[in-house]
Amino acid sequence: AQSVTQPDIHITVSEGASLELRCNYSYGATPYLFWYVQSPGQGLQLLLKYFSGDTLVQGIKGFEAEFKRSQSSFNLRKPSVHWSDAAEYFCAVGMNYGGSQGNLIFGKGTKLSVKP
Amino acid sequence: EAQVTQNPRYLITVTGKKLTVTCSQNMNHEYMSWYRQDPGLGLRQIYYSMNVEVTDKGDVPEGYKVSRKEKRNFPLILESPSPNQTSLYFCASSSMVPTPNYGYTFGSGTRLTVV
Repeated sequence: AQSVTQPDIHITVSEGASLELRCNYSYGATPYLFWYVQSPGQGLQLLLKYFSGDTLVQGIKGFEAEFKRSQSSFNLRKPSVHWSDAAEYFCAVGMNYGGSQGNLIFGKGTKLSVKP
Repeated sequence: EAQVTQNPRYLITVTGKKLTVTCSQNMNHEYMSWYRQDPGLGLRQIYYSMNVEVTDKGDVPEGYKVSRKEKRNFPLILESPSPNQTSLYFCASSSMVPTPNYGYTFGSGTRLTVV
């Protein structure tokens, strides 16, 4: 069965420091991959996605993620974190049904805190 | 503006009193889904629909019903709510085809409390 693992439940970084949030998935073929962000009291906003092509994808708010097939990973990175990045981040995997998207499976999320 | 609209945003109800949470999207998406979000458990899928009159169970369907009579609407029905259904609920929609702009669009959420 497909699954998504976000190994870090909570991460704290200092403002201005770099950030990497980990995501590993289990899926038999090349999936569609997503990162979403949820600010406190808000809904989920799409940060970036991968479904083909260049394995390094750029997203909004200065985030990027790299798809590594050999490691079944899709880690999210940002070179310099801002206090406004404090939120919960969800990795999601979409199943590829011959070009059509199936359900998304979400990881349990990583909560990011930012120290001044 | 492309959006998924959920109503209500907040709801407090009593055990056993039937309720409906509405979800509507204006993007002509084929796919719609309901999730509940609980601390430490992430997002768990309740039901989903890949088109009109086509619905299927997700991971946690017990105690919920859905219908998809029109493409734009996907209401979530709790026939007899119980306190363990107290949660934050999200509706999402998506195109089924991975065009460059595709991906789930989420509603703003409905915080439900059952007392």
